[in-house]
Amino acid sequence: KQEVTQIPAALSVPEGENLVLNCSFTDSAIYNLQWFRQDPGKGLTSLLLIQSSQREQTSGRLNASLDKSSGRSTLYIAASQPGDSATYLCAVRGNQGGKLIFGQGTELSVKP
Amino acid sequence: KAGVTQTPRYLIKTRGQQVTLSCSPISGHRSVSWYQQTPGQGLQFLFEYFSETQRNKGNFPGRFSGRQFSNSRSEMNVSTLELGDSALYLCASSQQERRAGELFFGEGSRLTVL
Repeated sequence: KQEVTQIPAALSVPEGENLVLNCSFTDSAIYNLQWFRQDPGKGLTSLLLIQSSQREQTSGRLNASLDKSSGRSTLYIAASQPGDSATYLCAVRGNQGGKLIFGQGTELSVKP
Repeated sequence: KAGVTQTPRYLIKTRGQQVTLSCSPISGHRSVSWYQQTPGQGLQFLFEYFSETQRNKGNFPGRFSGRQFSNSRSEMNVSTLELGDSALYLCASSQQERRAGELFFGEGSRLTVL
């Protein structure tokens, strides 16, 4: 059974700092991994999608990497801003397609 | 291009009642899936539909059901509501030209059961 873990559960950093959010999964047989952002009381915003054949994806200040063999993904945020404050969720989809398995999220607070 | 639209955004029901939630996917997306989000359990998969057929179902009781229409719009229904059904219900759509495309979520329907 696939399990997804995100560490840390919460993180507070000063504005301008570069930071890394971690996501680990127990079954390396995944089809893809997706990172989302969720603001309080809102839905999920897709940030990056990494297919199983890819090592990383970049969008603006965000870079996500994937190491299937070790069951890990990281989301790197460069030059953090207060507007980056949100909960970040990673989710994996197995080789059969279908449902996403989510981690519990990392709540990020960027202080001005 | 409009995003995923969910209605209603907020609703309050009492135990024993039933509720129907609606989801309109992004234009051209044929796959719709539903998730339940609670503080204790996080995000859990309910079901997935593609071309009006249920392709996957999560581990929820039979009180939770759904369907998809020919225009790809989807509804989910929860009957005989329980207090524990209070949650944010999220709908997501994707293009399924490839089996596992990127998922785009709506703002959710927040259900409170009293």
